[in-house]
Amino acid sequence: GENVEQHPSTLSVQEGDSAVIKCTYSDSASNYFPWYKQELGKRPQLIIDIRSNVGEKKDQRIAVTLNKTAKHFSLHITETQPEDSAVYFCAARRYYGGSQGNLIFGKGTKLSVKP
Amino acid sequence: GAVVSQHPSRVICKSGTSVKIECRSLDFQATTMFWYRQFPKKSLMLMATSNEGSKATYEQGVEKDKFLINHASLTLSTLTVTSAHPEDSSFYICSARRVGSSDEQYFGPGTRLTVT
Repeated sequence: GENVEQHPSTLSVQEGDSAVIKCTYSDSASNYFPWYKQELGKRPQLIIDIRSNVGEKKDQRIAVTLNKTAKHFSLHITETQPEDSAVYFCAARRYYGGSQGNLIFGKGTKLSVKP
Repeated sequence: GAVVSQHPSRVICKSGTSVKIECRSLDFQATTMFWYRQFPKKSLMLMATSNEGSKATYEQGVEKDKFLINHASLTLSTLTVTSAHPEDSSFYICSARRVGSSDEQYFGPGTRLTVT
């Protein structure tokens, strides 16, 4: 089955700096990779996702890159702000055409942005 | 769009009793709903996948007789924790996948269960 590793587990940056979170996956058939942001006591919110036919996707200060050969994908946050502080989860999903797979989550990264 | 609600948000029950948690997709139809369990400062652990009108698929190690899942309609799935024990105390979160979508999942706000 799929296994997703996420690093680092905690990340502290100064406001305005960039933050990078990396994930690796084991199942080469996985084809969908979302990133979720979870604030304390709240639901995970989808912030960006990428599919296996794309190498990079950007949405304002957030970008995700995917390297299918190496089976890793990364979240990049630029110009970080204190409100970016949260736990970020990566996930990978395999699609079985006609029978849809499940999201497998990484262990999460607690990002702290210091003013 | 794509709002998922859960009820209740918090519940305290005594050992041995059962508690039901509801998950609703408010503005879309969901063929598939997922139930997760999350321990403090930990990741989301998939418990089961629920498809409308059919039996849920449980992950390895999850007792299907203890965690009863019903997905009676395209907008409602329920999780019943039967004969609850203190070790069942946790944060339970559901998510829903929209009909016609193969990818995006939207999460509910979660239910904090405390078993005394």
